[in-house]
Amino acid sequence: DSGVTQTPKHLITATGQRVTLRCSPRSGDLSVYWYQQSLDQGLQFLIQYYNGEERAKGNILERFSAQQFPDLHSELNLSSLELGDSALYFCASSGTSGGAQQFFGPGTRLTVL
Amino acid sequence: SQQGEEDPQALSIQEGENATMNCSYKTSINNLQWYRQNSGRGLVHLILIRSNEREKHSGRLRVTLDTSKKSSSLLITASRAADTASYFCATEMDSSYKLIFGSGTRLLVRP
Repeated sequence: DSGVTQTPKHLITATGQRVTLRCSPRSGDLSVYWYQQSLDQGLQFLIQYYNGEERAKGNILERFSAQQFPDLHSELNLSSLELGDSALYFCASSGTSGGAQQFFGPGTRLTVL
Repeated sequence: SQQGEEDPQALSIQEGENATMNCSYKTSINNLQWYRQNSGRGLVHLILIRSNEREKHSGRLRVTLDTSKKSSSLLITASRAADTASYFCATEMDSSYKLIFGSGTRLLVRP
């Protein structure tokens, strides 16, 4: 158990819908990272927050957004969903902003029908 | 495109044998990390090697880093069936805090 929690575990929705994925980092970790894992794209970095501020951005689509709240939990919002958004979404946390290992949550499996 | 590419894509060995996986990357890095993923589950951190280090050990794991060749290798000695998983290298680049993952090596250890 990494100490990172993600909800929900599974999510099935329809094209065009909007969903919110939630992540609680390990106690004391200030950085939260979001990744997308799909068969065709592999593991892709989406975005990082450090103590409430956006710190680094990957190839995150404009339809996707994230935020980190004062209690350090983070949410990833995915809107206008397409079939190709079906993937495993992982959240990870670390104590620093870079230079350290990341602790991964169990992931949310999103299926868009 | 991905920063790291792993070789081989898949590896099948007998229990007790050693497994070697290689990773190549394109740009200069702060550090390189190896992670393991069991069948669709979350990733587990194995080892981190900084750009000024050449070799690191952790239990049955040995990682080397050659920054001149932009490559790293992960050696698992005396493999066990429980080592069956996908292994990913991930690089943290100089100018960024993000981890860029390779395509992974699927390791099967046969009992």
